[in-house]
Amino acid sequence: SQTIHQWPATLVQPVGSPLSLECTVEGTSNPNLYWYRQAAGRGLQLLFYSVGIGQISSEVPQNLSASRPQDRQFILSSKKLLLSDSGFYLCAWSLNGEKLFFGSGTQLSVL
Amino acid sequence: DAKTTQPPSMDCAEGRAANLPCNHSTISGNEYVYWYRQIHSQGPQYIIHGLKNNETNEMASLIITEDRKSSTLILPHATLRDTAVYYCIVRAYNNAGNMLTFGGGTRLMVKP
Repeated sequence: SQTIHQWPATLVQPVGSPLSLECTVEGTSNPNLYWYRQAAGRGLQLLFYSVGIGQISSEVPQNLSASRPQDRQFILSSKKLLLSDSGFYLCAWSLNGEKLFFGSGTQLSVL
Repeated sequence: DAKTTQPPSMDCAEGRAANLPCNHSTISGNEYVYWYRQIHSQGPQYIIHGLKNNETNEMASLIITEDRKSSTLILPHATLRDTAVYYCIVRAYNNAGNMLTFGGGTRLMVKP
């Protein structure tokens, strides 16, 4: 069966520090991968998606970047965090345009 | 993708059916209706989806009107664990960048 791992679960970082969130999927090949962000009490905003290794599409201009160094690995990064980067970050995967399967999320607080 | 409209919140008594409405009046012929739910501090969970026929699975039933401009998610016997935000999304099948756009959803509170 397929599983998605996302870590860490919580993270507190100072403004200006770098960020690296990692997401891996097991039990499937060539998945579509996604990073979403959810601000407190708000809906989910799509940040990045990838349909293959090295292929990244960005949905909104921002302080973050994404990379897909391996088929089942998706990384969200920032060189310098802003206060506005705080939120709940979710990684997700899907196959063939069907259902999305989400990770457990990372609660990021930038102070 | 077509926009959806959902009530921001609803209450339901435990053991009763929860009927969550969704309006999607601009839906296109090739767009599916998807429902997800998000329990507090967790990632969203897929519930059900459909194109034009009503659908049922172990979690819920999806009723889509004949003109496809609205739908209703039915949880037949709501439990306290069904308290969550429910998202209705419409989108076309598209392998490349098949992202789902999540709106505000309906916050369902199941009460004892």
